[in-house]
Amino acid sequence: EPEVTQTPSHQVTQMGQEVILRCVPISNHLYFYWYRQILGQKVEFLVSFYNNEISEKSEIFDDQFSVERPDGSNFTLKIRSTKLEDSAMYFCASIRSFGETQYFGPGTRLLVL
Amino acid sequence: KNEVEQSPQNLTAQEGEFITINCSYSVGISALHWLQQHPGGGIVSLFMLSSGKKKHGRLIATINIQEKHSSLHITASHPRDSAVYICAAYTQGGSEKLVFGKGTKLTVNP
Repeated sequence: EPEVTQTPSHQVTQMGQEVILRCVPISNHLYFYWYRQILGQKVEFLVSFYNNEISEKSEIFDDQFSVERPDGSNFTLKIRSTKLEDSAMYFCASIRSFGETQYFGPGTRLLVL
Repeated sequence: KNEVEQSPQNLTAQEGEFITINCSYSVGISALHWLQQHPGGGIVSLFMLSSGKKKHGRLIATINIQEKHSSLHITASHPRDSAVYICAAYTQGGSEKLVFGKGTKLTVNP
């Protein structure tokens, strides 16, 4: 069964450093999402992406965040200057079209020290 | 106020018991997901439904659109069912993003 993959599985970084989280969505999917889950809290929406542009973003997704689909397979989330409060699990998800089940990657656990 | 509310927050059961987890939502939705999150953190979709009832093995999900309420039932619960169960809604309009409940932590003891 096709699956969404994410790398790395864990990342530890120093405050102020840039990180790039990578996702490979399912190959025929067209809509892509990033969510995050701070430890002990609910999953929160960050951004959705379609047709090479952001279609919706949350208040969390400020100027420190950016997304990109640099080629036909990868979907990346960049945090320019990490803060302690960016420590969380980051999930990538994708769907082929509206009305279908959303498929999640296994997550990247980011720890900012 | 959260747009998606779940209850209970924590649930402990004995193996074999019938489990019910409830979800209510305050926004218009196009569909509702029930998701399972294991201790390692990964999220798996169990059901997506917009009306009626769906069944998969020992899991049953129902939704009542008029009452803005959904339930997830587990029959003959087993310790391997221990996980966090999350209700998440596709809100109407927008980009089909999911709005999540806080989750219900289920522990099934042998």
